[in-house]
Amino acid sequence: GQQVMQIPQYQHVQEGEDFTTYCNSSTTLSNIQWYKQRPGGHPVFLIQLVKSGEVKKQKRLTFQFGEAKKNSSLHITATQTTDVGTYFCAGPSGGSYIPTFGRGTSLIVHP
Amino acid sequence: DVKVTQSSRYLVKRTGEKVFLECVQDMDHENMFWYRQDPGLGLRLIYFSYDVKMKEKGDIPEGYSVSREKKERFSLILESASTNQTSMYLCASRSQGISNEQYFGPGTRLTVT
Repeated sequence: GQQVMQIPQYQHVQEGEDFTTYCNSSTTLSNIQWYKQRPGGHPVFLIQLVKSGEVKKQKRLTFQFGEAKKNSSLHITATQTTDVGTYFCAGPSGGSYIPTFGRGTSLIVHP
Repeated sequence: DVKVTQSSRYLVKRTGEKVFLECVQDMDHENMFWYRQDPGLGLRLIYFSYDVKMKEKGDIPEGYSVSREKKERFSLILESASTNQTSMYLCASRSQGISNEQYFGPGTRLTVT
């Protein structure tokens, strides 16, 4: 079945440093979503990418979808303590409409 | 604002008990999901419902069943709870359309002793 791998599992950064999490699928994705889960909270939708090579920005967050639609990344510029949480990617493969979630990357920001 | 509510935030049950977890959404969404979340394992799909009375097994359906008698309500049932079902259970809903955005409930932390 489809597998979605996300790396790294954890990332410690000093406030102000950049952060990137990577998502790789074993199969071609029709689209990919990114979610953020704050400690003690539930996942909250951030964005969806659909087109090959698509890049979208939300303030300090940059999301990319690979040309082959099998990988994606989330980059945060100049992290802040409010960025702390676990970031998940999720995407359905082929004709499926059910997304598979990656295991998430937990971001820890040290002030 | 979409609201997804779950019947309990915390639940403690004994091994062998039948457990019902309820989820209600107020946005007339067709699709609803049940996930369990365990440290280091991310979100794993238990069951998915794409409409009333319709369901599909997810990646880890063993030991669970579901019920969707009304569009707004999706129930997860543990027929005979076991200690390895101690976990955080998250419900989500999604509109059947172009966006795949899922709206999650606050979660139920279930402990089976």
